Amino acid sequence: AQTVTQSQPEMSVQEAETVTLSCTYDTSENNYYLFWYKQPPSRQMILVIRQEAYKQQNATENRFSVNFQKAAKSFSLKISDSQLGDTAMYFCAFMKPHSAGGSQGNLIFGKGTKLSVKP
Amino acid sequence: ETGVTQTPRHLVMGMTNKKSLKCEQHLGHNAMYWYKQSAKKPLELMFVYNFKEQTENNSVPSRFSPECPNSSHLFLHLHTLQPEDSALYLCASSPRSTGNTEAFFGQGTRLTVV
Repeated sequence: AQTVTQSQPEMSVQEAETVTLSCTYDTSENNYYLFWYKQPPSRQMILVIRQEAYKQQNATENRFSVNFQKAAKSFSLKISDSQLGDTAMYFCAFMKPHSAGGSQGNLIFGKGTKLSVKP
Repeated sequence: ETGVTQTPRHLVMGMTNKKSLKCEQHLGHNAMYWYKQSAKKPLELMFVYNFKEQTENNSVPSRFSPECPNSSHLFLHLHTLQPEDSALYLCASSPRSTGNTEAFFGQGTRLTVV
């Protein structure tokens, strides 16, 4: 069974600084997808970034980038130039490919990391 | 705003009550999902609907009964719940249940069972 572990329940960072959130996962699949979701106090889950396991290049979306280490089963999220609006819960999620019974709504989530950006 | 709307935002119900949660999307998506988010636990997938057909039920107790009358609407009917069912219930939708496309989430219904 797949599992997703986020070992940092809470983190804080100063505005404009850089912070890295950790995520590890366990799977026997070779092809899969990984996601980082953000859940602000409004409770809406918002996709931040995604990575296809078959792609070696790390995904990047503006100030957000990942460090995907497939062999180590590690998928960390780096937030550069942190902004107050980045304050939220961040969830790492795993999705199996459809060929293995997965779907993009059928996600396995970690417990989340609460990030606070301080002015 | 992701285009997925859930009502009500908050709900308090007694253990003998019957209530329903509603989810609506006008994104043209064909797959819809119910998730449960409890404190200090990972989000748990409850049900998956694809083209109005239920394709997954993750061992959810029968006191939770989903209904998907069309691809735009999804309900979760609640009956004789327990206090441990108190949680945030999130609805999501995606273009289809296959392939690598994004799932869009609603803002959830905060349910308290008293």
